[in-house]
Amino acid sequence: DAMVIQNPRYQVTQFGKPVTLSCSQTLNHNVMYWYQQKSSQAPKLLFHYYDKDFNNEADTPDNFQSRRPNTSFCFLDIRSPGLGDAAMYLCATSRARAGGTDTQYFGPGTRLTVL
Amino acid sequence: AQSVTQLGSHVSVSEGALVLLRCNYSSSVPPYLFWYVQYPNQGLQLLLKYTTGATLVKGINGFEAEFKKSETSFHLTKPSAHMSDAAEYFCAVRGSNAGGTSYGKLTFGQGTILTVHP
Repeated sequence: DAMVIQNPRYQVTQFGKPVTLSCSQTLNHNVMYWYQQKSSQAPKLLFHYYDKDFNNEADTPDNFQSRRPNTSFCFLDIRSPGLGDAAMYLCATSRARAGGTDTQYFGPGTRLTVL
Repeated sequence: AQSVTQLGSHVSVSEGALVLLRCNYSSSVPPYLFWYVQYPNQGLQLLLKYTTGATLVKGINGFEAEFKKSETSFHLTKPSAHMSDAAEYFCAVRGSNAGGTSYGKLTFGQGTILTVHP
């Protein structure tokens, strides 16, 4: 089945130690999103890529960066994780096309723990 | 700008009873509306969506939702709850983009945790 894959599912890092989360998709979608979801809260969009164009949300901390080397892969880099960055990180994809209505498809998430 | 309000952070029903999860939205443009379900430690799975056309939308697992523009609501229902329906449910809104891009930011409600009792 075509899908959105996130690795690892669980990640433990130390305070201040850089960490990278991975997302890949077999849907050939042109838009990829990263969301942060803290416990008992709604997902919050961090940024998204439309093809290679990067779009940062205004309130996303500089500590969060992203890379999209090709259509299939997108990475979330947290340069210096703090305790407040512990959360579930969700990757989503959608196909944007003229006249269409995209639906976002989510991966299973990576739960990040910061010690 | 869009916003979503889900009334009731927790809803508890008995197995076989009606499920009703409430969602009200605010949008400055005609909205696209979505319901997602999230099981513990999982991502979000699309249940159903409304874009245009028929206001009663049927989704997976027997769920349906009705778009009521006059009430700015998009409540989710299921006639008979099953134990496997226990999960967290998120309503989301996205503004349609007439003449613009065909994708956009989802704004989620705070979620409703559904508990199903035997």
